[in-house]
Amino acid sequence: KNQVEQSPQSLIILEGKNCTLQCNYTVSPFSNLRWYKQDTGRGPVSLTIMTFSENTKSNGRYTATLDADTKQSSLHITASQLSDSASYICVVSALTGGTSYGKLTFGQGTILTVHP
Amino acid sequence: KAGVTQTPRYLIKTRGQQVTLSCSPISGHRSVSWYQQTPGQGLQFLFEYFSETQRNKGNFPGRFSGRQFSNSRSEMNVSTLELGDSALYLCASSLSGTGYSGANVLTFGAGSRLTVL
Repeated sequence: KNQVEQSPQSLIILEGKNCTLQCNYTVSPFSNLRWYKQDTGRGPVSLTIMTFSENTKSNGRYTATLDADTKQSSLHITASQLSDSASYICVVSALTGGTSYGKLTFGQGTILTVHP
Repeated sequence: KAGVTQTPRYLIKTRGQQVTLSCSPISGHRSVSWYQQTPGQGLQFLFEYFSETQRNKGNFPGRFSGRQFSNSRSEMNVSTLELGDSALYLCASSLSGTGYSGANVLTFGAGSRLTVL
């Protein structure tokens, strides 16, 4: 069964500090992995998308890494800001059948709270 | 450019009723996918439509259905509502669909919050 597990479930940090969120998956065959940020009451917003051949991708203060061999990904946030307080969701897409029509599997998310 | 628009934003139904939710994608996007988000289960994939055809489906009962029109707008319908159907229903649009990487970013709407009493 395809699964995506994220850790920690929640995290509290002080403004200006760095943090790393983890994502382990068992989705197969793998197509791509995405990180999303979801503010309370809003839809998720894409941060990064990585395919099998990519092991690092950055978007401003957000840097995602992917190890397709160990099926692990991490999202590193540098110099956190109060606006980083949100849920961060790891999403893995699987190849289905003979085409790339991906069936998405979502992690439960990590709730990040940044305190001043 | 306009984002993904979902209507209605909030609605309350009673058990046994049916509900239809609407999603207008970003202009030019041909793929619309639907998701259910609950505190207990998180985000779950419902189905994806591309050029009026259902291309992929998650593990939900047949009470959940959808369709896509020629202008790419999509609707999802839930019949015989149950208390457990209370959730935030999100749709996302993209150029090519959920299985592609690179520029094929999913853009989500703000969601329709359904409460079943």
